[in-house]
Amino acid sequence: NAGVTQTPKFQVLKTGQSMTLQCAQDMNHNSMYWYRQDPGMGLRLIYYSASEGTTDKGEVPNGYNVSRLNKREFSLRLESAAPSQTSVYFCASNTNRRRGEKLFFGSGTQLSVL
Amino acid sequence: QKEVEQNSGPLSVPEGAIASLNCTYSDRGSQSFFWYRQYSGKSPELIMSIYSNGDKEDGRFTAQLNKASQYVSLLIRDSQPSDSATYLCAVEGSGGGADGLTFGKGTHLIIQP
Repeated sequence: NAGVTQTPKFQVLKTGQSMTLQCAQDMNHNSMYWYRQDPGMGLRLIYYSASEGTTDKGEVPNGYNVSRLNKREFSLRLESAAPSQTSVYFCASNTNRRRGEKLFFGSGTQLSVL
Repeated sequence: QKEVEQNSGPLSVPEGAIASLNCTYSDRGSQSFFWYRQYSGKSPELIMSIYSNGDKEDGRFTAQLNKASQYVSLLIRDSQPSDSATYLCAVEGSGGGADGLTFGKGTHLIIQP
């Protein structure tokens, strides 16, 4: 059981380049989330998808777009990368069928924008 | 905007002592609270969740919740070097978990052998 799989694990971009971070879960979860983590800043929610077919902005959505491709997959796209987007990105998921349910995290993507 | 506050540390505790980690939150309607542990370069892992006022114990870990004071804490008894990590407090908003959890910035804990 792979859980939540993120690709790539590492990426270096130049300012202005675009890329898509991929996330897939095999736990039949309804909800998926993208967080970014910066030193001293904790985890901040970028976008989330409460269920297949829906997406919503989180705390820090500027500069990002998302696609909930199907129930398994939730991608995060940077159209024109900026140095401020240098961060570690985590995808997470859960069934979101009841309160207090834990999040299952992927292993993260370390992104550097030069 | 929902806020979760933690002392960033580092918090240094001798091996075998009790480590006490604290967290306050702004959303008075929050119902679910979590402590995640994160080792350097790894993803967060859930170690405790608490939903009702009072204490909840799991092995060496005790979570404490006081909704009136909007305060959550984590106690680690008999601290071990392997407990050295960053501890993230997370809060589920009053609207439920559909919009994700709000995380604190984390407390860096160092257990000194």
